[in-house]
Amino acid sequence: GESVGLHLPTLSVQEGDNSIINCAYSNSASDYFIWYKQESGKGPQFIIDIRSNMDKRQGQRVTVLLNKTVKHLSLQIAATQPGDSAVYFCAGPTGGYNKLIFGAGTRLAVHP
Amino acid sequence: DAGVTQSPTHLIKTRGQQVTLRCSPISGHKSVSWYQQVLGQGPQFIFQYYEKEERGRGNFPDRFSARQFPNYSSELNVNALLLGDSALYLCASSFGQGGTEAFFGQGTRLTVV
Repeated sequence: GESVGLHLPTLSVQEGDNSIINCAYSNSASDYFIWYKQESGKGPQFIIDIRSNMDKRQGQRVTVLLNKTVKHLSLQIAATQPGDSAVYFCAGPTGGYNKLIFGAGTRLAVHP
Repeated sequence: DAGVTQSPTHLIKTRGQQVTLRCSPISGHKSVSWYQQVLGQGPQFIFQYYEKEERGRGNFPDRFSARQFPNYSSELNVNALLLGDSALYLCASSFGQGGTEAFFGQGTRLTVV
């Protein structure tokens, strides 16, 4: 079946360092992936998305890389700040862009 | 502009009871989806409604039901509550049925005792 999973449950980084959060997927037909950030007590917040016809997409301080050969995507956060501390989810659609499969999440902890 | 709003924010119910959760999508959005998020896990898809019709259903028992109203707001109902239904229930709205970004509300924290 389809699945979207994350490699590490937690990631600790120093403030100012770059963070890389990884995600693997199993459905080769997936053509759209989204990264969400979820802070404690809040709903998931859209960060960035990427379509399967792209290898890389950049946003403000964030970059998503997609490797379709090994079914892997990553979220890179430049100059990580304390406000980046949250749980990050990758998600992919199943049958429609509002029917998303989420991974378990990676908790990013930023230390001063 | 108001985002996706959900009510209530928290509630506590007893096993066997019924609960109704409410969601108001972003103005202009016609699609609402519901997700269940158990502590420590990612959200799990429950339902999608578009133009007042159910367009998708996840692997949840028939105790879970939902509907969408003419103003595109939505309700999620859960009957015969079990302890395992304790979770954060998230509502997401988007303009179309597919191909557009989904925006999430803050969620309703349901505790079943």
